[in-house]
Amino acid sequence: KNEVEQSPQNLTAQEGEFITINCSYSVGISALHWLQQHPGGGIVSLFMLSSGKKKHGRLIATINIQEKHSSLHITASHPRDSAVYICAAGGDYGGSQGNLIFGKGTKLSVKP
Amino acid sequence: DTAVSQTPKYLVTQMGNDKSIKCEQNLGHDTMYWYKQDSKKFLKIMFSYNNKELIINETVPNRFSPKSPDKAHLNLHINSLELGDSAVYFCASSQEPTRQYFGPGTRLTVT
Repeated sequence: KNEVEQSPQNLTAQEGEFITINCSYSVGISALHWLQQHPGGGIVSLFMLSSGKKKHGRLIATINIQEKHSSLHITASHPRDSAVYICAAGGDYGGSQGNLIFGKGTKLSVKP
Repeated sequence: DTAVSQTPKYLVTQMGNDKSIKCEQNLGHDTMYWYKQDSKKFLKIMFSYNNKELIINETVPNRFSPKSPDKAHLNLHINSLELGDSAVYFCASSQEPTRQYFGPGTRLTVT
């Protein structure tokens, strides 16, 4: 079992739909990261959170520390949101707080 | 201006060769990282390095060595390349414990 599990692995949505991607982790963390990998391969950090909720535009990330669970929500989805979304646990692994343990990603495809 | 840059973007080479991938960040961050993304798109940490300490993932073969000439650069040297080294390598930087900024990736193909 991976230390960071994401669901679903693949997600197809119609434009305008509300999307939720889930992440569960079994390791201790100092922060939980959400990343977006574009079809061209580039990776962008969307959120880093250790408690509560963060919002940026149409994206919302939440975390429940007690349940070791985080969600990424996309409101009013758009085809340009099509990408792979990756959850990563950040913690003091091997001596560096920045080391990330990644989930396998959720491939999102938003149809017009 | 690009925050984290990597060169080259593509690298095709033969087994047994030695190669380097360069990474530079202009963000003034104190920590840099190297990640490997395999053919199944799974990312894994290889190294993290700040101006004090190198942290090595124990699963990384010692054919891989990071070298940091200064705080803004962390280059990746790979000796005796093997077919299994084919992957996309991403450099990243952060001012711990903040979010990380990723480079565009270097696609390495070993033939």
